[in-house]
Amino acid sequence: KNQVEQSPQSLIILEGKNCTLQCNYTVSPFSNLRWYKQDTGRGPVSLTIMTFSENTKSNGRYTATLDADTKQSSLHITASQLSDSASYICVVSGGGSQGNLIFGKGTKLSVKP
Amino acid sequence: GAGVSQSPSNKVTEKGKDVELRCDPISGHTALYWYRQSLGQGLEFLIYFQGNSAPDKSGLPSDRFSAERTGGSVSTLTIQRTQQEDSAVYLCASSPYGNRGRSTDTQYFGPGTRLTVL
Repeated sequence: KNQVEQSPQSLIILEGKNCTLQCNYTVSPFSNLRWYKQDTGRGPVSLTIMTFSENTKSNGRYTATLDADTKQSSLHITASQLSDSASYICVVSGGGSQGNLIFGKGTKLSVKP
Repeated sequence: GAGVSQSPSNKVTEKGKDVELRCDPISGHTALYWYRQSLGQGLEFLIYFQGNSAPDKSGLPSDRFSAERTGGSVSTLTIQRTQQEDSAVYLCASSPYGNRGRSTDTQYFGPGTRLTVL
């Protein structure tokens, strides 16, 4: 069964600290992996998209890694800011129809002053 | 417009009533998607439109759900005879190319419609 599991479910950190969010998937075939940021009451916003051949991709203070062999990805946030408080969603595409996107349940990050 | 817009932002209805949710995608985007997000759950795919091709309806949970996209632009998701389990946030997204582009085609999401069925 195609699944995307994220951990931790929630996380609280202090402003300025770093954190790493995890994503494990069992989607096959694999096309690409995406990380989205979803602020409360808003739609998700794309942070990174990585294909099979990409190991790492950065977007400002966000760095995503991908290990296609172990089917794991991580999202590292550096020097966190209060505005980083949001849910971070890992999404894996199995290719084919664009409807074939498997969404994780997300990690809810709270950055405290 | 600058982004994907959805209306209404909130909808409260009584069980058994029909509801219509509207999505205005980014101008020029050929692909449009509908998702449902229940509390504490991941996004659930509902339906996908690609240009003039037949839509991918594989995610619709029952025949009470239907959607159309007129003129390749605005889309309406209709839920007939609503049930309490239909309560969720309904998200619409569009992308420039969909299946006709790279697999890494970026989706742009609207703010969602929060549906509450009493």
